[in-house]
Amino acid sequence: EVVLTQSPGTLSFSPGERATLSCRASESVSNSYLGWYQQRPGQAPRLLIYGTSNRATGIPDRFSGSGSGTDFTLTISRLQPDDFAVYYCHQYGTAPYTFGQGTKVEIK
Amino acid sequence: EVELVESGGGLVQPGRSLRLSCAASGFTFNDYAFHWVRQAPGKGLEWVSRIAWNGGSIAYADSVKGRFTMSRDNAKNSLYLEMNSLRSEDTALYYCARAAFGGYSYPLDSWGQGTLVTVSS
Repeated sequence: EVVLTQSPGTLSFSPGERATLSCRASESVSNSYLGWYQQRPGQAPRLLIYGTSNRATGIPDRFSGSGSGTDFTLTISRLQPDDFAVYYCHQYGTAPYTFGQGTKVEIK
Repeated sequence: EVELVESGGGLVQPGRSLRLSCAASGFTFNDYAFHWVRQAPGKGLEWVSRIAWNGGSIAYADSVKGRFTMSRDNAKNSLYLEMNSLRSEDTALYYCARAAFGGYSYPLDSWGQGTLVTVSS
């Protein structure tokens, strides 16, 4: 099973700042099979990024993804009020598919 | 508009069974694979199971293997999760989610709002 580790668990930023979130895999993950989701309180997760760097439909370009092998990054270039939420990375290449434990982005 | 609506959750005693359903609309159901993902209260996301477009390939997390059965009825645009021998650690909000682009090894591009399962005596 591929274990995804997101650290730290919580990051604090002011609106307008740049946020960089990390996801590290216990073994190499193909770039095609790494995604990121946003979950706001009381809502279902929403797909942001798939295939490491591709934005899902309707996702603004302030969200970007990068990485390869075992290290992946989600960057939010200028945090908007709606961006304060929990973010999960996800590998969907091989069952059991796994999620990271999440990083909460909170307002400083 | 793509819509996934889960139902069937509730309070159940340990060791008992429950069947969840997920009704889909707004797209061609049998073109897609689907997953169940759960979220314990205050916790992160945990993948549970997935099924191919024709039901021919199904996979489960080790934590539910042998107790849960995922199925689909393409004529009814519906997914199911039969949960047996329920344990307290199965308490969670259960989401059904569609795999993008058809195959099951794809990101989850549409999610329902979830149905809550509580296992307690």
